Amino acid sequence: DQQVKQNSPSLSVQEGRISILNCDYTNSMFDYFLWYKKYPAEGPTFLISISSIKDKNEDGRFTVFLNKSAKHLSLHIVPSQPGDSAVYFCAANSVTQGGSEKLVFGKGMKLTVNP
Amino acid sequence: NAGVTQTPKFQVLKTGQSMTLQCAQDMNHNSMYWYRQDPGMGLRLIYYSASEGTTDKGEVPNGYNVSRLNKREFSLRLESAAPSQTSVYFCASSAGWGSGLAGFEQFFGPGTRLTVL
Repeated sequence: DQQVKQNSPSLSVQEGRISILNCDYTNSMFDYFLWYKKYPAEGPTFLISISSIKDKNEDGRFTVFLNKSAKHLSLHIVPSQPGDSAVYFCAANSVTQGGSEKLVFGKGMKLTVNP
Repeated sequence: NAGVTQTPKFQVLKTGQSMTLQCAQDMNHNSMYWYRQDPGMGLRLIYYSASEGTTDKGEVPNGYNVSRLNKREFSLRLESAAPSQTSVYFCASSAGWGSGLAGFEQFFGPGTRLTVL
């Protein structure tokens, strides 16, 4: 049973436009969400996170939106740059309900930003 | 400050051979993890160690063993490698409980690409 779902395996956008990456989750106990970025032949790197007490978190060109009622979060990249081309993973955890340190990851989405 | 280091970077094994993947972190983190990444499957947790002296199974532990040698080091052992274990293996660490929300942010190593023939 997949608790964190990234239903679209890939996305292609033009440089300068907005990239929107979506993530859905099924476990209502999740209260902390993270996005990771992965380049080929490298390990994933942390990008941005959001706690369930917020509905938006912004860091430069990256903004994550959380809709708890829909169990949905999205990552917006504006403007998109060719260097943003990578695989993006959504991850979730339950940090306030006696959960563990484990993160549950989605399967990833490959973003391609075309010059 | 190297972060999370993994050795080796690449390895080719024959079916039935054994090997140990090494991982070390220099961030004084409490928690360490081993993942495998396969095409279309994302990152799947094999084992993790919430603190020195403890280890727990993750989603796909069969065929693997781990050792939390000390706070810095967490090794993954394949006793009898199988072609199904061909994958890219990532080690990660996090500060863990007691460090606020930032304690759940995991830092990853560069990965070990393993092929089992």
